[in-house]
Amino acid sequence: GAGVSQSPRYKVAKRGQDVALRCDPISGHVSLFWYQQALGQGPEFLTYFQNEAQLDKSGLPSDRFFAERPEGSVSTLKIQRTQQEDSAVYLCASSSDRVVHEQYFGPGTRLTVT
Amino acid sequence: GNSVTQMEGPVTLSEEAFLTINCTYTATGYPSLFWYVQYPGEGLQLLLKATKADDKGSNKGFEATYRKETTSFHLEKGSVQVSDSAVYFCASYSSASKIIFGSGTRLSIRP
Repeated sequence: GAGVSQSPRYKVAKRGQDVALRCDPISGHVSLFWYQQALGQGPEFLTYFQNEAQLDKSGLPSDRFFAERPEGSVSTLKIQRTQQEDSAVYLCASSSDRVVHEQYFGPGTRLTVT
Repeated sequence: GNSVTQMEGPVTLSEEAFLTINCTYTATGYPSLFWYVQYPGEGLQLLLKATKADDKGSNKGFEATYRKETTSFHLEKGSVQVSDSAVYFCASYSSASKIIFGSGTRLSIRP
């Protein structure tokens, strides 16, 4: 079956613009995660959903970052008034069960803020 | 808080060489431990895992043993291939649903 998909794969934004990144998890997966991966670093947790409920948003770096999953399937990560330090690869992952460490990752969206 | 520290790269080896990538963790309690791999142009893939002390995870010729006494989870492979060239991430999961990743080790294998 299809894996986790993300769009767009690449996004260039001018500083101050708003961006929206989309994640389509594996069908039926209850849990969805967003991670931020800076160049040369490992992914860092941003936020976690179980169905439509956002259970943990402790990793969101500022109030410019907002994530939603209104119907418990597709999720959108929105970044308002982008800054250069927001440049990174944004990874989405999903998990099929309540033991959430078996996470399947999408290819990521590479965001470049100029 | 929980953290993962892994060997810095890049690591360059000749084909058929023995590989070790070191990884140590700090955590309260006993986390599950993972190795993820990121091939060029592809997403992160789970390579292997171990969920309790002394467990050995293995896949595609790679192995790692969960060592509680040394808080380590070193990745090994007896004979690497060019196709193993990738970035390898050690990671831990304990609670609160988040995976903690190391900074990654880039591996290049020369033919």
